[in-house]
Amino acid sequence: QVQLVQSGAEVKKPGASVKVSCKASGYTFTSYYMHWVRQAPGQGLEWMGIINPSGGSTSYAQKFQGRVTMTRDTSTSTVYMELSSLRSEDTAVYYCARALQLAIDAFDIWGQGTMVTVSS
Amino acid sequence: QSVLTQPPSASGTPGQRVTISCSGSSSNIGSNTVNWYQQLPGTAPKLLIYSNNQRPSGVPDRFSGSKSGTSASLAISGLQSEDEADYYCAAWDDSLNGQVFGTGTKVTVL
Repeated sequence: QVQLVQSGAEVKKPGASVKVSCKASGYTFTSYYMHWVRQAPGQGLEWMGIINPSGGSTSYAQKFQGRVTMTRDTSTSTVYMELSSLRSEDTAVYYCARALQLAIDAFDIWGQGTMVTVSS
Repeated sequence: QSVLTQPPSASGTPGQRVTISCSGSSSNIGSNTVNWYQQLPGTAPKLLIYSNNQRPSGVPDRFSGSKSGTSASLAISGLQSEDEADYYCAAWDDSLNGQVFGTGTKVTVL
């Protein structure tokens, strides 16, 4: 079945970086864009950016420009999201989400989420 | 910071119809399509409606979406206890060149 499986929870110190992985299965990896969305505890959803697994092109939310890098490995059908210069406000659950082919701004399959805690 | 505004809460009794509004601007809802997500406690969001009024396979027809101008709405008819969840609208924003989400609405089944 189609699924996205993310890496496990992380605890990081302020100023560090975190890299979250998202492994896709059950479909042609390079045929669907992938987004990253985060959700701080008790808060709403926040879009971080999008990657085209086929060519690797990316587009990031203005808020994260310069701090976020999204990459992919087609050999393992995995996308990665790395966030640097972490601060306490980055504590959140991070989700990867596959885009629909007909509407790339709609996310039909979501990973289970990865909790990232930033604390000294 | 959410760009799309939703009421913080909505409620109804089983079988009732509940409507959730989503207010935006000309740079997002006014010029792009709207999607809706349902998030049950402790789980990842689930796509309910895309392209204003399209339901993905498996989503009951009790859920419907509409858009007019710079606002959109999600309607849940025949409310059921399992509909108790948080609901978010979303749209692309041309000014921000990114996806924006609504503030979220918590639906309670009385």
